[in-house]
Amino acid sequence: DIVMTQIPLSSPVTLGQPASISCRSSQSLVHSDGNTYLSWLQQRPGQPPRLLIYKISNRFSGVPDRFSGSGAGTDFTLKISRVEAEDVGVYYCMQATQFPHSFGGGTKVEIK
Amino acid sequence: EVQLVQSGAEVKKPGESLKISCKGSGYTFTSYWVGWVRQMPGKGLEWMGIIYPGDSDTRYSPSFQGQVTISADRSISTAYLQWSSLKASDTALYYCARLHWRSLHFDYWGQGTLVTVSS
Repeated sequence: DIVMTQIPLSSPVTLGQPASISCRSSQSLVHSDGNTYLSWLQQRPGQPPRLLIYKISNRFSGVPDRFSGSGAGTDFTLKISRVEAEDVGVYYCMQATQFPHSFGGGTKVEIK
Repeated sequence: EVQLVQSGAEVKKPGESLKISCKGSGYTFTSYWVGWVRQMPGKGLEWMGIIYPGDSDTRYSPSFQGQVTISADRSISTAYLQWSSLKASDTALYYCARLHWRSLHFDYWGQGTLVTVSS
């Protein structure tokens, strides 16, 4: 099974400053069809998770462009260019390249 | 509008059985996988398993295989998660989510069902 590891566990950020979250998989997420099924989700306090990014770098409908995803193979990054108060929450990476799918442990973004 | 609406909160005793539901609307239910995700109190997301209602193909995480059963009723566009004998450790928030068929991401989520197991 593929294990997803996120760092850091917690990221205190000043409003208006950038934030970066890393996600590493225990094996390559490149599918036999050539695609990489790595997505990022945001979970605000008391809310269900919400999709931000799919297939490494594609923003989902309605997601602000301050969110961006990058990476390849086993190493991926979510960046928030300028953190806003509404970005507080826990961020998860998820792989769907191979069953069973799996989530990273989560990174908590909080305001300093 | 795509929606996944889950059944309400449950309070059960250890050893009891339970079946929670997730009703899809606004899309062709049989054409998308529906997954189940557990979130224990104060913890992260855990992928439990997934079903393709079109042919009932079901996959489980090894951690949950044999502990729960995932099923679906195409006629009422509803997926289910069930337990035959609950434990206190099953206390958690359970989410269903739709897996987009092309890009394999969970694009729509249910509101969650809180299951509390306590004697």
